Amino acid sequence: GAGVSQSPSNKVTEKGKDVELRCDPISGHTALYWYRQSLGQGLEFLIYFQGNSAPDKSGLPSDRFSAERTGGSVSTLTIQRTQQEDSAVYLCASSPGDRGNSPLHFGNGTRLTVT
Amino acid sequence: DAKTTQPNSMESNEEEPVHLPCNHSTISGTDYIHWYRQLPSQGPEYVIHGLTSNVNNRMASLAIAEDRKSSTLILHRATLRDAAVYYCILTWGATNKLIFGTGTLLAVQP
Repeated sequence: GAGVSQSPSNKVTEKGKDVELRCDPISGHTALYWYRQSLGQGLEFLIYFQGNSAPDKSGLPSDRFSAERTGGSVSTLTIQRTQQEDSAVYLCASSPGDRGNSPLHFGNGTRLTVT
Repeated sequence: DAKTTQPNSMESNEEEPVHLPCNHSTISGTDYIHWYRQLPSQGPEYVIHGLTSNVNNRMASLAIAEDRKSSTLILHRATLRDAAVYYCILTWGATNKLIFGTGTLLAVQP
């Protein structure tokens, strides 16, 4: 079946511009996560949505970062006034539940380059 | 902070078994042990998870110590396609929020 889909796969933007990154989770998955991975680094948790509960935003690095999840499905991560340090691969994952025995399914990410 | 400790890198020969260790001495009773791997230029891929008992699936086996303070991911017959970074992760609280560490870079030699 279809996996987690992210778009665009690559995005180049100028410093100071806003960008939107999209994630289409696996149908029926109630939990959705955003992570980012800087070059040669590990994965950094950003934000987590579960059903209609308030999202866990504890990983967002600054108020320039925000995310929405509409209708319990598609999610958009928005970065305002991009900086060069925002350059990274942004990864989305979904899972059928949010209990500890529910594996995460990751997309292949959006590579963001801020020039 | 990551709650697991893994070697930075390991090497294996093709078609031989690989044992990837992970220490998690501060594990709590509700923490699941998850393993993911990340191939170059791809998102992480789920491998296996367990709570107390050893687990087997088509990809690998997970051996969990009796005191749960360590575990071992076993690839029964390494192939070149198994070369990746392997992450051992404990679930966070009662959820499946994953806090990734630096993982083990596995190199497979032909």
